[in-house]
Amino acid sequence: ETGVTQTPRHLVMGMTNKKSLKCEQHLGHNAMYWYKQSAKKPLELMFVYNFKEQTENNSVPSRFSPECPNSSHLFLHLHTLQPEDSALYLCASSLFRTSGTGELFFGEGSRLTVL
Amino acid sequence: EDQVTQSPEALRLQEGESSSLNCSYTVSGLRGLFWYRQDPGKGPEFLFTLYSAGEEKEKERLKATLTKKESFLHITAPKPEDSATYLCAVQTMQGAQKLVFGQGTRLTINP
Repeated sequence: ETGVTQTPRHLVMGMTNKKSLKCEQHLGHNAMYWYKQSAKKPLELMFVYNFKEQTENNSVPSRFSPECPNSSHLFLHLHTLQPEDSALYLCASSLFRTSGTGELFFGEGSRLTVL
Repeated sequence: EDQVTQSPEALRLQEGESSSLNCSYTVSGLRGLFWYRQDPGKGPEFLFTLYSAGEEKEKERLKATLTKKESFLHITAPKPEDSATYLCAVQTMQGAQKLVFGQGTRLTINP
């Protein structure tokens, strides 16, 4: 496998369910990201992890809980979501240096529908 | 507040009809400007990074340019397979890992 892989590609859940999105990168990067893409809105940064440590939480509600066990894997745990959380959730990775980060490489996304 | 505005929102061209997409930005200090292509139902695909005014980069029928206030993505003699949404994003000196995205331009190339 190459690049950034996300599973599942599609997910339908009720407001009381608990589910998780998974992301794996095979690029040797040290930073991973979660972005949310809603219709008619720009991509919104949710979380950033560098070397497994969370460095950014962009005021995301606690019903979204990220987990980064190592530099290659990233999870987004979901519970008691709202219908307005329906969106495309994109995982990305990059090579972070002290001078900043280079380009981000994105996965195909997980399309989430909350009923 | 850092802002990125892309225009037009949508653009329809005939195959072979060249045009340009615009990305205007207002940031406190630009570290880099990125262009991505996104096909329906897929994640964004990296195209170019530009770091300083006057810089240009090319890839096949695409050329990206950068000034102190905006970037252009020029498409020369486009083909139907160039149809996609093109996203612009900026990275600032303050937010070393934060990309601020524009809303994108949806480009359709008719055969």
